[in-house]
Amino acid sequence: DTGVSQDPRHKITKRGQNVTFRCDPISEHNRLYWYRQTLGQGPEFLTYFQNEAQLEKSRLLSDRFSAERPKGSFSTLEIQRTEQGDSAMYLCASSAQMGSLLEQYFGPGTRLTVT
Amino acid sequence: AQKITQTQPGMFVQEKEAVTLDCTYDTSDPSYGLFWYKQPSSGEMIFLIYQGSYDQQNATEGRYSLNFQKARKSANLVISASQLGDSAMYFCAMRPIKAAGNKLTFGGGTRVLVKP
Repeated sequence: DTGVSQDPRHKITKRGQNVTFRCDPISEHNRLYWYRQTLGQGPEFLTYFQNEAQLEKSRLLSDRFSAERPKGSFSTLEIQRTEQGDSAMYLCASSAQMGSLLEQYFGPGTRLTVT
Repeated sequence: AQKITQTQPGMFVQEKEAVTLDCTYDTSDPSYGLFWYKQPSSGEMIFLIYQGSYDQQNATEGRYSLNFQKARKSANLVISASQLGDSAMYFCAMRPIKAAGNKLTFGGGTRVLVKP
């Protein structure tokens, strides 16, 4: 299967701890996106990479959040000093650069619970 | 800035009947794409259908069709012949069509429950 994968699927952590999530996009896709989805809401854009370059960051991405895509393949999203408000589903998506549709394919998400 | 509004938080539909999910949008971009995604309880977002702002015909994909009314800024999803497996959250989304970046802006979603 060559879909978008995310790891872990679930993470429970105590407030103040750091967490890191990983996303592996579809192999031929050079664009990668992170979204956050809180309960009962639609996903909200966090950040976007084209290859290894982080081209856009949302204001939602506070300085406790950092994302990397060092070799233009997989990406990591780190949250430092987690807060209860960080509890959410973190979704990763990827898309190809060429083509008119530029459809984004989503991974299964990482559900974070901060206690 | 872009905004998507889905006014129906939840809907019941009888199996085998059709259901229409409402979506209105607002954007200043001259060209844009409209998407519908399905999110089952397992959490993954599944792409259903796409409509480009300059497409002359309404998009169709199997049992899904998009009723696009550009002047009204609406992009309603019609699911025909509902099946039990259609029970899920449905999200309308949009993005500008431009070279740099194509982040999606989502609505708040509509929960559909198909009754046998």
